[in-house]
Amino acid sequence: GQNIDQPTEMTATEGAIVQINCTYQTSGFNGLFWYQQHAGEAPTFLSYNVLDGLEEKGRFSSFLSRSKGYSYLLLKELQMKDSASYLCAVMDSNYQLIWGAGTKLIIKP
Amino acid sequence: GAVVSQHPSRVICKSGTSVKIECRSLDFQATTMFWYRQFPKKSLMLMATSNEGSKATYEQGVEKDKFLINHASLTLSTLTVTSAHPEDSSFYICSASDRDYEQYFGPGTRLTVT
Repeated sequence: GQNIDQPTEMTATEGAIVQINCTYQTSGFNGLFWYQQHAGEAPTFLSYNVLDGLEEKGRFSSFLSRSKGYSYLLLKELQMKDSASYLCAVMDSNYQLIWGAGTKLIIKP
Repeated sequence: GAVVSQHPSRVICKSGTSVKIECRSLDFQATTMFWYRQFPKKSLMLMATSNEGSKATYEQGVEKDKFLINHASLTLSTLTVTSAHPEDSSFYICSASDRDYEQYFGPGTRLTVT
């Protein structure tokens, strides 16, 4: 079956760095997405990786290893506003999105 | 975990016709369902929120007469794109929320209007 795994919850300190991992097993692969979702709001697109390697975008970076079925989202210089849920989603060979359950990130002062 | 399905997964229709997309919560009762539109590499755009048994609440700029939403039961919501045009071609994603307010996302429906 198809499966996306990511931690349920993580806690980090303001100003620090946190890495949110996502492992996947899907039928085919057409890219991996990371979204940020604040409570009560629509998910916001963060990144899209389809090739192996690291993509950096400001304080956020996303890494993909297709051979390992693994991605991570790296958040640097954490701010209180980064407290949110982070969703990992993979597009399979049928261009269907397989969603992870989301990681709730709690930032403490 | 909670599962949300969408049907069809992919649909091609001719301009001027209508197409219906179903969103089902398979193992829980969804008090609220959300319909989103996904543009390539963009954030999900919330189109409307629907609560079972009541009229949907549409986001600003979304035509309620064009995108008809029905949430007739606690496990089913439908989005009907009426008189579809090529610019309606997109990836439509639904999500369902239970009483704990967690959102569970569907796999999406790719609509192509020719």
